[in-house]
Amino acid sequence: ETGVTQTPRHLVMGMTNKKSLKCEQHLGHNAMYWYKQSAKKPLELMFVYNFKEQTENNSVPSRFSPECPNSSHLFLHLHTLQPEDSALYLCASSQYLRLADNTGELFFGEGSRLTVL
Amino acid sequence: TQLLEQSPQFLSIQEGENLTVYCNSSSVFSSLQWYRQEPGEGPVLLVTVVTGGEVKKLKRLTFQFGDARKDSSLHITAAQPGDTGLYLCAGAKGTDKLIFGTGTRLQVFP
Repeated sequence: ETGVTQTPRHLVMGMTNKKSLKCEQHLGHNAMYWYKQSAKKPLELMFVYNFKEQTENNSVPSRFSPECPNSSHLFLHLHTLQPEDSALYLCASSQYLRLADNTGELFFGEGSRLTVL
Repeated sequence: TQLLEQSPQFLSIQEGENLTVYCNSSSVFSSLQWYRQEPGEGPVLLVTVVTGGEVKKLKRLTFQFGDARKDSSLHITAAQPGDTGLYLCAGAKGTDKLIFGTGTRLQVFP
């Protein structure tokens, strides 16, 4: 496998369920990210991990709980979600946190489409 | 709020036409990136522009960073159906923070 892989691709869950999204990167990168993509909003950064340490939590509700056991794997644990949490959740990685110069680039997975009933 | 407004929001054109997408803000950015996201895929980086006034060309795509580093444009010449997708600009604040734009959805018909 190459690049950034996300599973599952589609998930339907009730508001009382507990589920997890998984992301794996095969690029040897040091930083990993969770983004939320909704139909009517710009791509929203949720969490950033660098060398498996969380460096940013963008005021995300506690019903979203990230976990980064190592630099290659990132999880997003979901519990008691709301219908408005339905969205495409994108995982990304980058070589380093530094994104502002010509070598900075986010590599995205294909996303996990979440529907909360 | 550091908002990057893209225009137009939607664009539907015939193959062979030219188009320009704009990315505007009142904030100054260290650099600006453009990504394209095809249906069912994640965004993929097209280009990074770093210097105010910089112009970069990628085949039929021309990217420009505004002199004041607050805005950018993407021009596509002779659009093809393969150019269909969601175009996202992303401005860098500081060294490691990216602010994504509101997106432009392009549909090119054969």
